[in-house]
Amino acid sequence: DTAVSQTPKYLVTQMGNDKSIKCEQNLGHDTMYWYKQDSKKFLKIMFSYNNKELIINETVPNRFSPKSPDKAHLNLHINSLELGDSAVYFCASTNRGTGETQYFGPGTRLLVL
Amino acid sequence: AQSVAQPEDQVNVAEGNPLTVKCTYSVSGNPYLFWYVQYPNRGLQFLLKYITGDNLVKGSYGFEAEFNKSQTSFHLKKPSALVSDSALYFCAVRDPSGGSYIPTFGRGTSLIVHP
Repeated sequence: DTAVSQTPKYLVTQMGNDKSIKCEQNLGHDTMYWYKQDSKKFLKIMFSYNNKELIINETVPNRFSPKSPDKAHLNLHINSLELGDSAVYFCASTNRGTGETQYFGPGTRLLVL
Repeated sequence: AQSVAQPEDQVNVAEGNPLTVKCTYSVSGNPYLFWYVQYPNRGLQFLLKYITGDNLVKGSYGFEAEFNKSQTSFHLKKPSALVSDSALYFCAVRDPSGGSYIPTFGRGTSLIVHP
């Protein structure tokens, strides 16, 4: 009964490839996020999404795109992978206006070779 | 604009001693403040938050934090540290008057509790 799940847990791929990371939450939350954590453990917000709006961090390359088939899922697509994309990617969810505690997934460790 | 600072990259404390992990913030209105903990190779876990009400907030695993508006601080504290408290701690802030539902996270403080 994992609250926020991500697949895959590990992803090793070559430069130039296109890959996707999936995220699902079973908490009934209305807002989901994608974060990138670099090798220094800094957390950077990439996207915030609910059923009404998508907020994009303007520093995120347009090779990254979120796709939400429904309220419980927010997938991350990455095109033309680069070495600098290697990081841990976290999905999180929350409910707006009810305390906004974020619940994080276990992370996807992406290594681009 | 909202911002948060964790001035210490690392805090070292002996087991059994009190611990403090510092956090200061900047918002234009009244802040929502959060502490999260990250154990190795895991996602972040919620510890506690201040939204409104009592300035002293109690959270998981015996942690507490005090909202101090005059000092714009929200330091995390625990009376007696355990080795198992060793982890990475993140402070986060959101300005509810700002119109965005995106919190700002600090750079994280690594807590090391020595036996």
